[in-house]
Amino acid sequence: AQSVTQLGSHVSVSEGALVLLRCNYSSSVPPYLFWYVQYPNQGLQLLLKYTSAATLVKGINGFEAEFKKSETSFHLTKPSAHMSDAAEYFCAVSDKGAQKLVFGQGTRLTINP
Amino acid sequence: KAGVTQTPRYLIKTRGQQVTLSCSPISGHRSVSWYQQTPGQGLQFLFEYFSETQRNKGNFPGRFSGRQFSNSRSEMNVSTLELGDSALYLCASRKAGTSTDEKLFFGSGTQLSVL
Repeated sequence: AQSVTQLGSHVSVSEGALVLLRCNYSSSVPPYLFWYVQYPNQGLQLLLKYTSAATLVKGINGFEAEFKKSETSFHLTKPSAHMSDAAEYFCAVSDKGAQKLVFGQGTRLTINP
Repeated sequence: KAGVTQTPRYLIKTRGQQVTLSCSPISGHRSVSWYQQTPGQGLQFLFEYFSETQRNKGNFPGRFSGRQFSNSRSEMNVSTLELGDSALYLCASRKAGTSTDEKLFFGSGTQLSVL
């Protein structure tokens, strides 16, 4: 069975600071990994996805994530936080592309002015 | 191009009732998935439909069911509602082609409150 653990249910950073959201996964097969963002009262928007093409994945809004098989991690980073980045972020894993995603519990990101 | 559309946006029901939620996928998308989001359990996969057939199923009781129509629109039904069914129900669609490099697009959800 697959699973995802997001370390830290709440992360707070200052505007302009580095954003680092942690995600560790468990999968018995090569995984497909995703990061989604959810703004209040909205659905999920795909930030980026890993499908084995490249270990460093660049997404929208300046976010990127690095797949590290040895650490079973897929941490999300952004060099400089913006107020508009405040939202909840979800890491997800699948063994079949975009089918049957297993999500982590989410990390709420707060940006301090 | 319109996104994934879910109706209604909000719904209030009482215990024991049944409810039907609707989802219209992005044009050209043949697969529709449903997810339940609650503060306690997070996001959980309910089921996926493709070409009017259930392709994948999560670990939910039989009170949760769905169907897909020939135009790819999908409905989800919950019978004999329980307080714990209060949640945001999210629908997602994808093309469902042969490529694994697909994207899953989510709607804004239906917020169901069971009183």
